[in-house]
Amino acid sequence: ELKVEQNPLFLSMQEGKNYTIYCNYSTTSDRLYWYRQDPGKSLESLFVLLSNGAVKQEGRLMASLDTKARLSTLHITAAVHDLSATYFCAGLVFGNEKLTFGTGTRLTIIP
Amino acid sequence: DADVTQTPRNRITKTGKRIMLECSQTKGHDRMYWYRQDPGLGLRLIYYSFDVKDINKGEISDGYSVSRQAQAKFSLSLESAIPNQTALYFCATSDSAWQPQHFGDGTRLSIL
Repeated sequence: ELKVEQNPLFLSMQEGKNYTIYCNYSTTSDRLYWYRQDPGKSLESLFVLLSNGAVKQEGRLMASLDTKARLSTLHITAAVHDLSATYFCAGLVFGNEKLTFGTGTRLTIIP
Repeated sequence: DADVTQTPRNRITKTGKRIMLECSQTKGHDRMYWYRQDPGLGLRLIYYSFDVKDINKGEISDGYSVSRQAQAKFSLSLESAIPNQTALYFCATSDSAWQPQHFGDGTRLSIL
């Protein structure tokens, strides 16, 4: 059974700084997803990572996947206030076809 | 209009009441899902459906039931609500197992 752990759970960072959110998973995951949730809002898909070494970037966010280490990272570059949100990673195992979510990282960007 | 619409958006009810949460989608996706979100626990899967005739239990299906009335509609019922079912409930759809899921805006349910 796939288990997904994120850390940190809470993160406060100053504008302009860089930081990384970590997502570890317990068994082979065939897809790794990152979602963003603004307070009181729905979840928005950010990235889908398909294979070892995959890297995707959108603006100040960059996600990567290391299947050998069972680790995905979400790197934030030069944070701005608009990036304040909760970020979730989720894994998928083919055949199971169900997403397993991490507990989320609540990110707060401080001016 | 939203692609995935959940009703109601908020509901307060009493222990023992029967509650139905509804989800409709205009994306034309076959796969639909119900999740609950609790603080510090992420999202947990309650039920999922791959088509009208296919319903599957998720991680935490006890105390819940679902109905897939049509490709576009997937309802979640709490037969006899209890306080620990107080949570934020999300409906989601997807085109295939490996495509990202699309989420509704959620239903905030409080059971007193």
